[in-house]
Amino acid sequence: DTGVSQDPRHKITKRGQNVTFRCDPISEHNRLYWYRQTLGQGPEFLTYFQNEAQLEKSRLLSDRFSAERPKGSFSTLEIQRTEQGDSAMYLCASSPEEREAFFGQGTRLTVV
Amino acid sequence: GIQVEQSPPDLILQEGANSTLRCNFSDSVNNLQWFHQNPWGQLINLFYIPSGTKQNGRLSATTVATERYSLLYISSSQTTDSGVYFCAVVVAGGGADGLTFGKGTHLIIQP
Repeated sequence: DTGVSQDPRHKITKRGQNVTFRCDPISEHNRLYWYRQTLGQGPEFLTYFQNEAQLEKSRLLSDRFSAERPKGSFSTLEIQRTEQGDSAMYLCASSPEEREAFFGQGTRLTVV
Repeated sequence: GIQVEQSPPDLILQEGANSTLRCNFSDSVNNLQWFHQNPWGQLINLFYIPSGTKQNGRLSATTVATERYSLLYISSSQTTDSGVYFCAVVVAGGGADGLTFGKGTHLIIQP
């Protein structure tokens, strides 16, 4: 399977804990994006990378959210001190330059 | 920021019917995609169509960029077409290159 891969698929965590999600993009895609989707809404753009450079991070929801793509391949999204409002689906996508984006299956986060 | 409006928000049809979903956007775009989100949350690519017309089997799409709208046509609907259809755009010349999504059209195809 050469699609976008996300891990884990589901995560249940207690309020106040830190969580980290991983995304492996399609190998030849140099752009990688993170989105958040809450119930009944369309996905909301959070941040993106071109290779290892994070070119947009002003949309990250708070300073508790951070993302990395250290070698321009896989990426991680970390949420520190989780809150119940962070419960959502976190989606990763990749694309070759400004072209068609392809999404992974998402990580569903539940904060209890 | 750019506004993306999809209509109708909900649509219930009988199997075999045809449907047209609309996406209006408030600014010039250099990327427009249609997605189908399945019950497990996966976004399935339907069309990459910043302008023009494309067809794929029972589905087709048209984007009129100068008038800032796109249409998705589904013919001879099947129950497996049920789900949420999203339109998403990237504003031309925008600093942030992420997709801006509409709220979706929730389509239910009844047997």
